[in-house]
Amino acid sequence: NAGVTQTPKFQVLKTGQSMTLQCAQDMNHEYMSWYRQDPGMGLRLIHYSVGAGITDQGEVPNGYNVSRSTTEDFPLRLLSAAPSQTSVYFCASSYSSISGVTYEQYFGPGTRLTVT
Amino acid sequence: AQKITQTQPGMFVQEKEAVTLDCTYDTSDPSYGLFWYKQPSSGEMIFLIYQGSYDQQNATEGRYSLNFQKARKSANLVISASQLGDSAMYFCAMREGGDSWGKLQFGAGTQVVVTP
Repeated sequence: NAGVTQTPKFQVLKTGQSMTLQCAQDMNHEYMSWYRQDPGMGLRLIHYSVGAGITDQGEVPNGYNVSRSTTEDFPLRLLSAAPSQTSVYFCASSYSSISGVTYEQYFGPGTRLTVT
Repeated sequence: AQKITQTQPGMFVQEKEAVTLDCTYDTSDPSYGLFWYKQPSSGEMIFLIYQGSYDQQNATEGRYSLNFQKARKSANLVISASQLGDSAMYFCAMREGGDSWGKLQFGAGTQVVVTP
C-alpha cells in the first residue's frame, strides 16, 4: 500500500495563479482532510470530507476549494494564490471501525508551497 | 477559542531520561479522542498514541504513555528512556464526536531536543 500520497512535493506560485494540490489514498478510508501548517503553529484544518460527494469547511477555508468525486482522491484547489497561502499542506485520511470510532489519521508527506 | 493548549514551546532532555509533554484541552463533548503526533525535522507526521474519552486505562505504546486526567482535561505524553531520535516537534490533537470525526484540532506543539 502506498498510504496517502501528495503531489507535488514543492511548488512556487506567483500571486494570482491557481493550482491544484493532489491527494490520494489507497486504504479505502472514508474520511479525508486538508491541513496547513505555518511556522510556529500546529496544523489547521482547511476542508474535510466524510465520504465521496460530501465535503465541509474547516477552520481556515477561505481561498480554497475541494471536491470528492471518488473515495480515493481529495484534491485541494487554490483559486487565486496569495502570499498568505505560503505554507506546508498536509492531506490526511482516516477510517471508522465497526464500532464507529475513528482512530489515527494517516498523513501524507506534505506539499511545501511558496507564493511570491 | 484555543481548544488544545501546549504550554511548553521547547525543552531539552538528556538521553535515557524521561520527559513529560503537557497538553490541556477544552471540550464539552462527552465523546472525544486525543492524539499525539511526532514531527521530525524531515517534516512527516508520525502517529504515536491515542486515548479515547471513555477509555478506562491510560494508553501506552512502547516507550510512550499518555497520562490522561479527564477531570483536569489534560493528556500529557510521557516518553521514557529518551533517545537521540526522539528529537522532534510533538503535537497534541483532539477529535470531537458527532459530525467531527474526520477533524483534528492541533496544539501549537512542543520542540524536544534530546542531548547526549
